[in-house]
Amino acid sequence: QSALTQPRSVSGSPGQSVTISCTGTSSDVGGYNYVSWYQQYPGKAPKVIIYDVNKRPSGVPDRFSGSKSDNTASLTISGLQAEDEADYYCCSYAGSYTWVFGGGTKLTVL
Amino acid sequence: QLHLQESGPGLVKPSETLSLTCTVSVGSISSTTSYWGWIRQPPGKGLEWIGTIYYSGSTYYNPSLKSRVTISVDTSKNQFSLKLTSVTAADTAVYYCTRHSGYNNFPRWFDPWGQGTLVTVSS
Repeated sequence: QSALTQPRSVSGSPGQSVTISCTGTSSDVGGYNYVSWYQQYPGKAPKVIIYDVNKRPSGVPDRFSGSKSDNTASLTISGLQAEDEADYYCCSYAGSYTWVFGGGTKLTVL
Repeated sequence: QLHLQESGPGLVKPSETLSLTCTVSVGSISSTTSYWGWIRQPPGKGLEWIGTIYYSGSTYYNPSLKSRVTISVDTSKNQFSLKLTSVTAADTAVYYCTRHSGYNNFPRWFDPWGQGTLVTVSS
């Protein structure tokens, strides 16, 4: 069970859109529609922003969206705001009641 | 709103056992839809799923930690616990407890999370 692959960092200007990728295998991301995404501010606990690939929990702005193609899941943040600067992690079910996280991506709002 | 709080020693000696407890409040740990999990984050690094327990006691562990991990639940105290044996400096991390949420009796995402507790392994 290897960690999912995310870019270490991405950046964008306010108002722009950014996409964070999360690449796994057919045994995790590609095999199930159980991908979730988490936002984490420094020193704080993560918070779920996307589950089941593309569902948003109540209270999460619709600027956040998720998708999946083959073995890669993606998180897109549109209309980037300064408050979106944080670390983002993907997580996928990997079969046999095991879960695996991505290495995390630091989003910088320029 | 469901609240989770981790507790336990912040310092553990190498080769000893790390023990943490998560207390669940404003909600029952025995809900038939309830799975509960432990996740850790070494300083400056990413998240690692440690394991998940169903309220009935069924457990699921990260294969890389399985030989050293035990997760248990005490429904009478609304708590679940983590034990990690034979710790080394590599086990130094912030440990989070969380509800492993979902529907159709399958856990799909982690929410909410406790605030996390830093456990340092050092002599």
